[in-house]
Amino acid sequence: GESVGLHLPTLSVQEGDNSIINCAYSNSASDYFIWYKQESGKGPQFIIDIRSNMDKRQGQRVTVLLNKTVKHLSLQIAATQPGDSAVYFCAETGQNFVFGPGTRLSVLP
Amino acid sequence: GAVVSQHPSWVICKSGTSVKIECRSLDFQATTMFWYRQFPKQSLMLMATSNEGSKATYEQGVEKDKFLINHASLTLSTLTVTSAHPEDSSFYICSAPTLSGNTIYFGEGSWLTVV
Repeated sequence: GESVGLHLPTLSVQEGDNSIINCAYSNSASDYFIWYKQESGKGPQFIIDIRSNMDKRQGQRVTVLLNKTVKHLSLQIAATQPGDSAVYFCAETGQNFVFGPGTRLSVLP
Repeated sequence: GAVVSQHPSWVICKSGTSVKIECRSLDFQATTMFWYRQFPKQSLMLMATSNEGSKATYEQGVEKDKFLINHASLTLSTLTVTSAHPEDSSFYICSAPTLSGNTIYFGEGSWLTVV
């Protein structure tokens, strides 16, 4: 039989522009958050993480922002490149790992 | 390098046969591993939680007798798709949290095609 799954929202960005991918989490007790990148046909890869005692963390071309007041997490990718095209999803951890549904990022030439 | 390894990466099998997919944690022990299934352009769907030394916990709607899970050691969990049918064709992914529970690592995924 056919399985039911979540169809992913898509974000299309022009190459060279900045991308912002958002994620809302549900558990106010979650204290650790992770962003993953999944390229087509591959398993998810760890991108960047942030703990609840921080509001912002920067990596190479990526920045994660955490707003605990509204339980919102965002991933910013600077100067988006074709290789950034993938599905991005967040995960919140406390006692359990809870994954967001993911957003498909398409980089337009 | 990969910290969770899956094997095989790609497998084609005939209808009615069984296929085993292995998930290994490298350089760390995992008392728990997760198995997911993913359809094209859809998010990961958790199938079951594999527990070392005890029975797996299956998500609602997942057939236990069809998707056999064994977690025989602290570094290895296996998923066996029994009596495979074409509708079982999918991308299967495992993941394993570190013992501290802080980080979860994913395997590279296994493509199963049933013909």
